[in-house]
Amino acid sequence: ETGVTQTPRHLVMGMTNKKSLKCEQHLGHNAMYWYKQSAKKPLELMFVYNFKEQTENNSVPSRFSPECPNSSHLFLHLHTLQPEDSALYLCASSQDGALAGSDTQYFGPGTRLTVL
Amino acid sequence: GQNIDQPTEMTATEGAIVQINCTYQTSGFNGLFWYQQHAGEAPTFLSYNVLDGLEEKGRFSSFLSRSKGYSYLLLKELQMKDSASYLCAVRDSNYQLIWGAGTKLIIKP
Repeated sequence: ETGVTQTPRHLVMGMTNKKSLKCEQHLGHNAMYWYKQSAKKPLELMFVYNFKEQTENNSVPSRFSPECPNSSHLFLHLHTLQPEDSALYLCASSQDGALAGSDTQYFGPGTRLTVL
Repeated sequence: GQNIDQPTEMTATEGAIVQINCTYQTSGFNGLFWYQQHAGEAPTFLSYNVLDGLEEKGRFSSFLSRSKGYSYLLLKELQMKDSASYLCAVRDSNYQLIWGAGTKLIIKP
């Protein structure tokens, strides 16, 4: 149990669907992250929130829309996705949002997304 | 550009020792992380090195040489449950985490 939960664990959607991924952290952290993980590729940072404010958006297409209503919850809203968006989407949290070099990120188990 | 290199896949025998290398070229350095990720599961934190030398945690040790841009993760007394991917990540001068693609470790009986 890492203290970071994600739902759903698996999602299959068509290109015209709208769905949302949910992440919740029970660690009292102030920063939350969305990553995309594709086979044999490095983790790709998508979005960062520090104290509920978005501080990073790494040129992510607008079909991905994050939402952070409070420091414990993070959502990723999906619409009109493409088949190449199929991947494992990981949520993580950390104490300080990298104010310190040792700030460690703790990950959820991920949502395996398949876009048909 | 910034780059982290680690072998794609390694195979080792149960009970043996394996060393997984990671080399990096980044703009600045504020520490190096190792994570373990079992298939279909969350990456879990293993170690953090910011100073040169060896850090030991039970069967796992992590080494860092900042002058060489090099780290390794040493796993001793390998067990079948150590079969996983091992991710190396470096925090750069902007405090961004730069990730390697991971090393898949296969343990054979």
